[in-house]
Order: sequence, then structure tokens, then C-alpha cells
Amino acid sequence: SYELTQPPSVSVSPGQTARITCSGDALPKKYAYWYQQKSGQAPVLVIYEDSKRPSGIPERFSGSSSGTMATLTISGAQVDDEGDYSCYSTDSSGRGVFGGGTKLTVL
Amino acid sequence: EVQLVESGGGLVQPGGSLRLSCAASGFTFSRNWMNWVRQAPGKGLEWVAKIKPDGSEKYYVDFVKGRFTISRDNAKNSLYLQMNSLRGEDTAMYYCARGGEQQLVAPDYWGQGTLVTVSS
Repeated sequence: SYELTQPPSVSVSPGQTARITCSGDALPKKYAYWYQQKSGQAPVLVIYEDSKRPSGIPERFSGSSSGTMATLTISGAQVDDEGDYSCYSTDSSGRGVFGGGTKLTVL
Repeated sequence: EVQLVESGGGLVQPGGSLRLSCAASGFTFSRNWMNWVRQAPGKGLEWVAKIKPDGSEKYYVDFVKGRFTISRDNAKNSLYLQMNSLRGEDTAMYYCARGGEQQLVAPDYWGQGTLVTVSS
């Protein structure tokens, strides 16, 4: 079955740039999406179609994709950005797939 | 405002069944693909199933095929997940999530989830 691979954790100091990667063989042909999830809350979409930002999402969140890797970048990370970040894409049959998630620590 | 409200979770014994429901409002339900996504305690998100706006196409993750059935009632703006032959590993928070008008668009709005616990 298709898999998306993320690092388990990323840690940065406040104000630094955090980068979270997501690798998958089909990413050259499929969009990547990114979700933020804080403890006890439902996920929130922060990036769609590789690099687009939904309304209400701060400009410090950006996304890119090259080859088999998609990257979520948080420029000037804030303590409030701490949480779990998961990438999402689809397999060749159109079924959804999530990465394993990355815990972002900002301290 | 888009709202998705799940219900129907609870404690069930292994081998038992549950039917989850999701009440949608704030958008034209009949235009969107709809998804179920689950999250086991302390684990990551796991996509479970999706259904086409008119209900004519359904997709499932391999490990629920033959046990779970996704359905919808566009007249009632409601999404369902019938879960049979439940196992301990099905214990999770189950989220209803709105997809796009096209099949491959990821979920954008999510409900708050309903907790399913499978245990004897």
C-alpha cells in the first residue's frame, strides 16, 4: 500500500524556521496537503494543493513540492505553532493517505 | 459556516457493530465528497473511507474493506459509517470530514469526532 513518510519530530526555537518534510513516490503526480492538529482538537488544513494557503492561515505557513518530497515551512515559528503536522495525498486509486505525523516543538 | 457533527460512538464488544452518523450544515452537502478519518489514541491520522456526492462511488482503506460501509443521505444532509466485526484495533476517534467537489481534493472541514472503543 502507498505510504507517506514524515520525520517523527522537529524542534526549533521561537523565531526560527521550521521545515517538515513528507516523502512519497506519487508526489510528483499528486498534490500534497498539510494539517495542523493541537492536542484534543480536530485537524486544521494549513496548506492545500502543495503550496496554497486557506483563508485565515498566517502567511508564515508555506508549502512546496519537488519530486517525491513535499515540504511545509513555518517561517518565524511561534510557540502557538506547536502541535502535530500531517501530510495527506492520494494513491493511484484515489484513496486517501496520511503521513505518520510530525510533532513540532517550539521552545 | 460549515458544521459537521458526529454521533453514534461508544463502547462495543469485539465482533460487535456500530453506526456512526455525521450531520452536515452550512454548505450544499450534495456537491461534496465526504470522508471518514480515524485516529487511534496517541497515534496519527488514518484515512478510512470516502463517498462520491451522489453516493455512486465508494473507496475504503484495505483493512476495513468488507467490514465497514460508508453511505450518505443527501436529503438529510447526513453521512454514515456502518462498522461491523469490530476489533480492538478499531478503537479510535472517528472524524467526519468534507472533501471537495472533485474526487482527489483533500478534506478541508472536520467535525470534532466521535469516540469508538472496542473492548470486552
